Amino acid sequence: NAGVTQTPKFRVLKTGQSMTLLCAQDMNHEYMYWYRQDPGMGLRLIHYSVGEGTTAKGEVPDGYNVSRLKKQNFLLGLESAAPSQTSVYFCASNLEGLGPDTQYFGPGTRLTVL
Amino acid sequence: AQSVTQPDIHITVSEGASLELRCNYSYGATPYLFWYVQSPGQGLQLLLKYFSGDTLVQGIKGFEAEFKRSQSSFNLRKPSVHWSDAAEYFCAVGVNYGGSQGNLIFGKGTKLSVKP
Repeated sequence: NAGVTQTPKFRVLKTGQSMTLLCAQDMNHEYMYWYRQDPGMGLRLIHYSVGEGTTAKGEVPDGYNVSRLKKQNFLLGLESAAPSQTSVYFCASNLEGLGPDTQYFGPGTRLTVL
Repeated sequence: AQSVTQPDIHITVSEGASLELRCNYSYGATPYLFWYVQSPGQGLQLLLKYFSGDTLVQGIKGFEAEFKRSQSSFNLRKPSVHWSDAAEYFCAVGVNYGGSQGNLIFGKGTKLSVKP
């Protein structure tokens, strides 16, 4: 049971390039989330999904797209990267949206946009 | 709007001393409250959570937190800090948008340094 895994761990992009971050969970969780973490800002929700085939916007969705084609995977895409997207990205999942359940976090992806 | 405030950006304590990290929240309904810890270069690990019942909750690594509704607080405590507790600590409130859908709103974090 690997929990929540993220690929890649590190990435450097040039402005305007595109990339996709992959999040995978093997806990059969319905809900998945993408956060970004910036110094002094805590974690902010980018997008989330309440089940396979669904996505919804979080607090800071601009410049990102997501897809949940399979229940176990949640992809975060940057179509045209900007330096403001330099951040550490965390994926999380849980069985239910809220309640006694807890969000489990992946190890993070550190992205630098030059 | 829902929010979480961690008033202390950085705290330094001596090893063996007691610790209290403050967290205040703003949320109209009964909150779900969490404390997470993040070691350098690592993801977030859940320390403890409060949903209902006893307002003093015990977590892992000897941490505890007390929910005080009248003060809208959920402070984290540990009686004796170890050098390995040096990390960043995040308080979060679970926001229920209706039914079972909800998200976490995080505070900005408190970085804990431990002096030998």
